[in-house]
Amino acid sequence: AQSVTQLDSQVPVFEEAPVELRCNYSSSVSVYLFWYVQYPNQGLQLLLKYLSGSTLVKGINGFEAEFNKSQTSFHLRKPSVHISDTAEYFCAVTLTGGFKTIFGAGTRLFVKA
Amino acid sequence: KAGVTQTPRYLIKTRGQQVTLSCSPISGHRSVSWYQQTPGQGLQFLFEYFSETQRNKGNFPGRFSGRQFSNSRSEMNVSTLELGDSALYLCASTLTATPGETQYFGPGTRLLVL
Repeated sequence: AQSVTQLDSQVPVFEEAPVELRCNYSSSVSVYLFWYVQYPNQGLQLLLKYLSGSTLVKGINGFEAEFNKSQTSFHLRKPSVHISDTAEYFCAVTLTGGFKTIFGAGTRLFVKA
Repeated sequence: KAGVTQTPRYLIKTRGQQVTLSCSPISGHRSVSWYQQTPGQGLQFLFEYFSETQRNKGNFPGRFSGRQFSNSRSEMNVSTLELGDSALYLCASTLTATPGETQYFGPGTRLLVL
């Protein structure tokens, strides 16, 4: 069975500081990896995804993530955060041969002025 | 192109009642998935429909059911509501539900069971 662990439930950070949101997954078969963001009172929006190829994936709003197969990780990074990045971030996996998506518990990013 | 829409946005019910939630996918999308989001359990997969057929189901009791119509709109129904069913119910659509395809989420229906 697949599982996704987001190692931090909350991450407070000052504006313009860098941030890393950590995600580890467990799967015995190949997976696709995703990061979604949820702003208050809204649905989820895709930030970026890894399907194959380059392990460094760039997404919207200046976010990027690196796929590390040996460590089964897919950490999300941004070099300089803004107040508007305050939201909840979800890491997710889908089997390359399946349709069901498993989400992590989420990391609440709080950017302080 | 209009996004995924869900109706109603908010709902209050009492224990034992039943509820039906509706989801209209992005035009042309044929797959709809439903998720339950709660603070304690996070996002949990309920089921997925493609061309009116349920292809995948999560680990939820039979009180949770769904269907998809020929125009790809989907409904989910929860019978005999329990307090623990209070949650944000999200639906997401994809064009063909090919693995790796981006899911587009609606704003959700917030259900409160009293």
